[in-house]
Amino acid sequence: DIVLTQSPGTLSLSPGDRATLSCRASQSISNNFLAWFQQIPGQAPRLLIYGASTRATGIPDRFSGSGSGTDFTLTISRLEPEDFAVYHCHQYGNLPLTFGGGTKVDIK
Amino acid sequence: QVHLEQSGAEVKKPGSSVRVSCKASGGSFSSSAISWVRQAPGQGLEWMGRIVPLFGKAFNAQKFQGRVAISADKSTATAYMELSGLKSEDTGVYYCASGQFPSYYMGVWGGGTPVTVSS
Repeated sequence: DIVLTQSPGTLSLSPGDRATLSCRASQSISNNFLAWFQQIPGQAPRLLIYGASTRATGIPDRFSGSGSGTDFTLTISRLEPEDFAVYHCHQYGNLPLTFGGGTKVDIK
Repeated sequence: QVHLEQSGAEVKKPGSSVRVSCKASGGSFSSSAISWVRQAPGQGLEWMGRIVPLFGKAFNAQKFQGRVAISADKSTATAYMELSGLKSEDTGVYYCASGQFPSYYMGVWGGGTPVTVSS
């Protein structure tokens, strides 16, 4: 199984700051099938990025994904109040599908 | 645009089973992949398995082998997840999520079904 390790566990930032979240895989992810989800407490996850770098429909361009192979990054260029949430990375290139442990972005 | 409607909250006794449904509207149900994802209280996301209704065969995570049954009814565009031998550790929110051919990334999620296992 591919293990995804997200870092840091918690990121404390202020609105307007830049956020950089990391996701490292235990082995190379086929076709760079890596996605990022945002989850606000009490809500279902929402797809932000798929294919490592493609924004999903309706996702603002302050969200960007990069990386390939085993190292991936989600960047939020300028944090808006609604961006304080938990972010999960997920690989869908190999069965079984797996998720990272999540990074919480909270207000400093 | 696909929309997924899940069944309501459940409270179950240890050792019993729970069946959660996920009805899809819009999009192509048969050629999609429906995954089931669990989230224990305060924890991360855990993939349980998925089914492509067109093929009918489910692939389950090893952790749930023998306890989970994922199925789909193409005639009603509804997927089901049944978990048996419930334990208190199975308490959490169960989500279905849909992905379209060919890469099946989980683009649309249901609202979640809370399941509480308690004696």
